[in-house]
Amino acid sequence: RKEVEQDPGPFNVPEGATVAFNCTYSNSASQSFFWYRQDCRKEPKLLMSVYSSGNEDGRFTAQLNRASQYISLLIRDSKLSDSATYLCVVKHSSASKIIFGSGTRLSIRP
Amino acid sequence: NAGVTQTPKFRVLKTGQSMTLLCAQDMNHEYMYWYRQDPGMGLRLIHYSVGEGTTAKGEVPDGYNVSRLKKQNFLLGLESAAPSQTSVYFCASSSLLAGEQYFGPGTRLTVT
Repeated sequence: RKEVEQDPGPFNVPEGATVAFNCTYSNSASQSFFWYRQDCRKEPKLLMSVYSSGNEDGRFTAQLNRASQYISLLIRDSKLSDSATYLCVVKHSSASKIIFGSGTRLSIRP
Repeated sequence: NAGVTQTPKFRVLKTGQSMTLLCAQDMNHEYMYWYRQDPGMGLRLIHYSVGEGTTAKGEVPDGYNVSRLKKQNFLLGLESAAPSQTSVYFCASSSLLAGEQYFGPGTRLTVT
């Protein structure tokens, strides 16, 4: 079983829809959590960190559930420009223990 | 402030050839990383460094070597390239305290 698992998708939703992704992690020692966005043939870019109390950045909301060991990303009022692959990232205390999920592909249609 | 830069952007090698990928960051970050990304797979850590003069193995280190002689540079070497090393290579850096990483634009390597 992978340490970080994501539904690969693709999620194909209409513009303006709300879409949510989950990511599960298996190691309870995980300390920090992030969502990255990766456009086709580009580098991953930090979308947002995920805090224990949940956090919001504009149309994006991230949640952490330590008891069930998952994090989620909610995108409201989706735009065409939101089409990308979303990577879930889990970090332990060690510099080397940063685990990337394989990503969830999102495609927004007009 | 260029962030993280990588050279070259593209390269084609023949089996057995060697090459060095260069990563540079201007954010004064302590940590630097080399990843490879293959279709359908997540980023896999090759080697990393927690400071100048130190390196350590990641998840998939075989066939690669690294050096960090200066804080801002992290070099990845392939001594004898193999077709299995065809991939996209990303360099990243992060600060000591923050967990988030900043990535370079990647190097697309094809080994024939």
